[in-house]
Amino acid sequence: QLVLTQSPSASASLGASVKLTCTLSSGHSSYAIAWHQQQPEKGPRYLMKLNSDGSHSKGDGIPDRFSGSSSGAERYLTISSLQSEDEADYYCQTWGTGIKVFGGGTKLTVL
Amino acid sequence: EVQLVESGGGLVQPGGSLRLSCAASGFTFSSYEMNWVRQAPGKGLEWVSYISSSGSTIYYADSVKGRFTISRDNAKNSLYLQMNSLRAEDTAVYYCAMTYYFDYWGQGTLVTVSS
Repeated sequence: QLVLTQSPSASASLGASVKLTCTLSSGHSSYAIAWHQQQPEKGPRYLMKLNSDGSHSKGDGIPDRFSGSSSGAERYLTISSLQSEDEADYYCQTWGTGIKVFGGGTKLTVL
Repeated sequence: EVQLVESGGGLVQPGGSLRLSCAASGFTFSSYEMNWVRQAPGKGLEWVSYISSSGSTIYYADSVKGRFTISRDNAKNSLYLQMNSLRAEDTAVYYCAMTYYFDYWGQGTLVTVSS
C-alpha cells in the first residue's frame, strides 16, 4: 500500500534552516513526490516535484530558499533563511495507477 | 497566468446533492488531467477524484466511490464534481488541482453537510 509518512510538527528559528522529511512506504522507494505549502487560512501552493535521484523542479515564483533532496525512501524539503511567512503546513504527495496520496502534513513553526 | 476558480459550494442536508464547478483559464485546459482534492476542517488534504485530459480515464477515492461523479467540458474549460448522497463527513473545502502532482490549485469552495 502506497503511504507517505510525515512528522506532525517541526520548529526552527527565524533565519535558520529546517529540513522536513517525507517517507515512502516499503516497496515504493523509487517514487517521485511533490511538496505543497499551505499557509494559515489559505489554499495549498505547489512547491516542487522531487525525484528519487534528488532532482527537482520548482513551481512558479518559488524562492531559491526552498530545495529538495532524496535518500532511499526519504524525500526532504529544506527551507533556508527561514522567514515568518514560511510558518505553514507542508504536505508531501505522490501518485500511482488510479491513486493519489498525501502525507499527513507537517506543521512548521518559525520561532 | 493559470487560474482555477471553484464554485457551487454551500450548505446541504445529509443525503442531499451538490454540483461543484471549476473554471479554468490561462492554459490549454483540454491538454491537462485534473483532480478534486478536499480538506475537512482542521484536517489534512485528501485526494477525491481524477480525470484524464480527454475524460476517458477516471478514478475515485474509496470514500466517495459510487456517490461522486467527476466530469469535464473541454469546450467550456470547466471541471465538475457531482456529489450525491452527501454525508456529514463530506464537509470540507473542495479544491480543483491540475496534473498528477497538483502544480496549480484553485482557492477552494466550502461544502457543509448538516441538518
